[in-house]
Amino acid sequence: QSVLTQPPSVSGTPGQTVTISCSGISSNIVINTVTWYQQLPGTAPKFVMFNIDERPSGVSDRFSGSKSGTSASLAISGLQSEDEADYYCAAWDDSLNVAHYVFGTGTKVTVL
Amino acid sequence: EVQLVESGGGLVQSGGSLRLSCAASGFTFSGYWMSWVRQAPGKGLEWVANIKQDGSEKLYVDSVKGRCTISRDNAKNLLFLEMNSLRGEDTAVYYCAREREDYYLDVWGRGTTVTVSS
Repeated sequence: QSVLTQPPSVSGTPGQTVTISCSGISSNIVINTVTWYQQLPGTAPKFVMFNIDERPSGVSDRFSGSKSGTSASLAISGLQSEDEADYYCAAWDDSLNVAHYVFGTGTKVTVL
Repeated sequence: EVQLVESGGGLVQSGGSLRLSCAASGFTFSGYWMSWVRQAPGKGLEWVANIKQDGSEKLYVDSVKGRCTISRDNAKNLLFLEMNSLRGEDTAVYYCAREREDYYLDVWGRGTTVTVSS
């Protein structure tokens, strides 16, 4: 089944902006909304962006999302140590007869 | 407080069975699709299955089709995942999650660990 492709890692110094990409195909990212999840070490995932660019209550406005064609992105501006975590994109995939929810491969964000 | 609490994980031999439960509280459980997501040690997230509010629709990832059954008891606010013919690759932390209409998972439990030994 489909998978969304992310870079294994990105890093930045405090205050910098980092961007995580998420590459999919026509049956997922192109036609469906994208969600981003943050997973801090040893904890359950938490959604930090939904409907491509909407932030849930309590999530810093330093997080922003976008989508273009078969790719989506999550940007974190003003990078802080608390942002160090694994991030996963996700989307519903409407492949014929095998509809399923698909996660990205995950990106580890490191604050240098 | 909206909460999901998983239970039922443990150590099981290859080929064995296990039934996971997820207790929901703080919201109208019967009003939401629910999902199971798993994470193998050191690996990424993998969606396993989901179930419609009334249990009439269920979807599964290919790797568990025919071996796992998702179900729910709305009267008791419980979600289940019955797993049979377990394999080593089923070893993971299993999370239950509430699903929203725009296909995102907004509430997650802390997870329950399943370890399949050979």
